Parts: sequence; C-alpha cells; structure tokens
Amino acid sequence: GAVVSQHPSWVICKSGTSVKIECRSLDFQATTMFWYRQFPKQSLMLMATSNEGSKATYEQGVEKDKFLINHASLTLSTLTVTSAHPEDSSFYICSAPLGGGDLGPQHFGDGTRLSIL
Amino acid sequence: RKEVEQDPGPFNVPEGATVAFNCTYSNSASQSFFWYRQDCRKEPKLLMSVYSSGNEDGRFTAQLNRASQYISLLIRDSKLSDSATYLCVVNPSLNYGGSQGNLIFGKGTKLSVKP
Repeated sequence: GAVVSQHPSWVICKSGTSVKIECRSLDFQATTMFWYRQFPKQSLMLMATSNEGSKATYEQGVEKDKFLINHASLTLSTLTVTSAHPEDSSFYICSAPLGGGDLGPQHFGDGTRLSIL
Repeated sequence: RKEVEQDPGPFNVPEGATVAFNCTYSNSASQSFFWYRQDCRKEPKLLMSVYSSGNEDGRFTAQLNRASQYISLLIRDSKLSDSATYLCVVNPSLNYGGSQGNLIFGKGTKLSVKP
C-alpha cells in the first residue's frame, strides 16, 4: 500500500488562485520531504526540500515566495502555489525517504496534476 | 554534460524479449543509485536499488560500474505490464551543491512491450 499520501490528485482553477497541496507520510515519520515538479516529457526536477521545524531549502530558480512550504509535523508537509498562473501548470510530486537515511530510496506520493486556466 | 543521461527510446519489443537500458551519470562522487518506473501520468515507483556487486530481482537485473559511471537495467522475458518509462535515478554526494538526500532523475527510457 501507499506509504506517502498526496492530496489533491487533480486541481483545475483560475489564474490568480492559490493552491495548497498536502503530502503525508503514512505510518512513519519524515523529518525531510522533497517536492518535485515534472513538465510533460521532462524529468522530475527538485523544487525544494521541506524540513520539519525549520525553513525549506529551495533549489536555484525556484521562487520561495511563490511556492510556500510548511512542514508542520513529522508526517505532513504542504506546498502552496500562490497566485498560480498557467505557466505553473504541472505535475507536482512529493517524496519522503523511508529508511536508509538520506542515501536510501524515496517513496513518492501519487502526485498532483495542477491545471491553471 | 547532463547529470543523468538515458536513451529516451522508445524501445518497442515483443513479449518475451530481453531488453537492456543504460544510464550514465556525471558526478563521480554519487552515493546511491536506483531504477524507478513511471507509468503514464503517475508517480514514480521504486523498481530496485543498484549495488556495485550487481543485483537481481526476478526478471530484473541491475548493474553499476562506478569506474565508467554507468548503470544498467536488464529485463528478461518482458511482459505487457512492463510497458512504462524507466527512470535512472542518482543520489549525489553529500557534498553536492544541492540539497542533501535529494534525487537526480534522468529523463527516462520509454518501453513498449507488444503482444
């Protein structure tokens, strides 16, 4: 069964809307979670690392004021796309390491397909 | 040079065929390696980790050559259900400029198994 739960699966909304995506670890604690984005026919690209109890670490080129990350507990990280525009339409996926420390594999949520009209 | 490179394919093979995917990575200090599969419009799912000694899981065999910075995946007796995009994934060195523990993905190799 799923070890990382992501919600919602699909979002369609108007330009200018803010969208919140939740990522939960099921039956394990995750001090670190990762947020990726995947455009059609492209590879997954890391956006930011979500750290429980501290600020997120953003990759170069990712606007921290636009993509707000909150790691409120050891099982929940949220990504809020503020004032979303059509160019933000993408597949957003979170992941968390399950055992093996930082060098182990990660398990992914189901992903959120975001479409901004 | 891209960090993780894969042949994008597509590989179109008949059922029962043996197919091999290759991947190269640029960061010689990379720590760990994985193959994931991603079905269309779905999240990546871990297929197997890749160890220096080579490892096998049923019909799937993964190999790592650190000297050549090369990873491979061999699928024997391919099934229709093997049709997917196979992602070569590298966990870079802890000294990598990015975030600790993040994964670097190749663009994937698309496999289509035909009846």
